[in-house]
Amino acid sequence: RKEVEQDPGPFNVPEGATVAFNCTYSNSASQSFFWYRQDCRKEPKLLMSVYSSGNEDGRFTAQLNRASQYISLLIRDSKLSDSATYLCAVNMMEYGNKLVFGAGTILRVKS
Amino acid sequence: DAGVTQSPTHLIKTRGQHVTLRCSPISGHKSVSWYQQVLGQGPQFIFQYYEKEERGRGNFPDRFSARQFPNYSSELNVNALLLGDSALYLCASSPTPLGQGAGYTFGSGTRLTVV
Repeated sequence: RKEVEQDPGPFNVPEGATVAFNCTYSNSASQSFFWYRQDCRKEPKLLMSVYSSGNEDGRFTAQLNRASQYISLLIRDSKLSDSATYLCAVNMMEYGNKLVFGAGTILRVKS
Repeated sequence: DAGVTQSPTHLIKTRGQHVTLRCSPISGHKSVSWYQQVLGQGPQFIFQYYEKEERGRGNFPDRFSARQFPNYSSELNVNALLLGDSALYLCASSPTPLGQGAGYTFGSGTRLTVV
C-alpha cells in the first residue's frame, strides 16, 4: 500500500461546480496534513494546512478524518484559474521525519 | 523577503557525471528538505536536514548525498548519474522539521536532464 494515495483524475468540471478530492494515508501516527497546488512545470505551493476540526479558506474547505485515515479538499464555485494539480502531503515519522506527497489529482475547470 | 532560492535552474549532464544542486532557505528557516519529482508523479522525499543534521532519508541509493551548512543553506549531490535521475529537484524550506502550520515552502526547482 502506498503511504499517501490520491485519485489521479483528471476531474473535468464546468465553471461554478463544486468538486471534492480525497487523499488516504497509511500511517495512523501522522500529525501534519497539507494540500498543495501545483501548476504545470512549476513548484508546489501551499494551499492550506488541514486541521483536526476542519478548516475553510474562501471557496476551499479541508477536512481530516483520522478514524478512516483520509483528508479531503472541497472546492466550491470552481474558477478556470483553479485548473491545476492538487497534491496532498502527510508527515511520516518512519525512517526519520519526512513529508510524503501523493501523486496528485488533476483538476480541469472548463467554461 | 527572498523566498527559497535554488541554483541552477536548468542543467544538462551526461550519464556517469556528478552534479551539485544548491538551495538557500527562507531567512530564519532552519529545515531544508530535498525532493525529486518526475513527470506525472508527486514529489519523492530524498533528505531532510535540520540544524545541520540529517533528520530523514528517503528510499534513494547512496549515490545521493546532501549536507547543510552553518547558514542553513544546503547542497544535494548526485554521483554516477543515470538517465532515470532526470527530474525536477525541489528544495523545501520550513522553520521546523514537521512544518507545522505553515507547511513547507518550495523553491522553483532545478530541472536536471541526464543524456
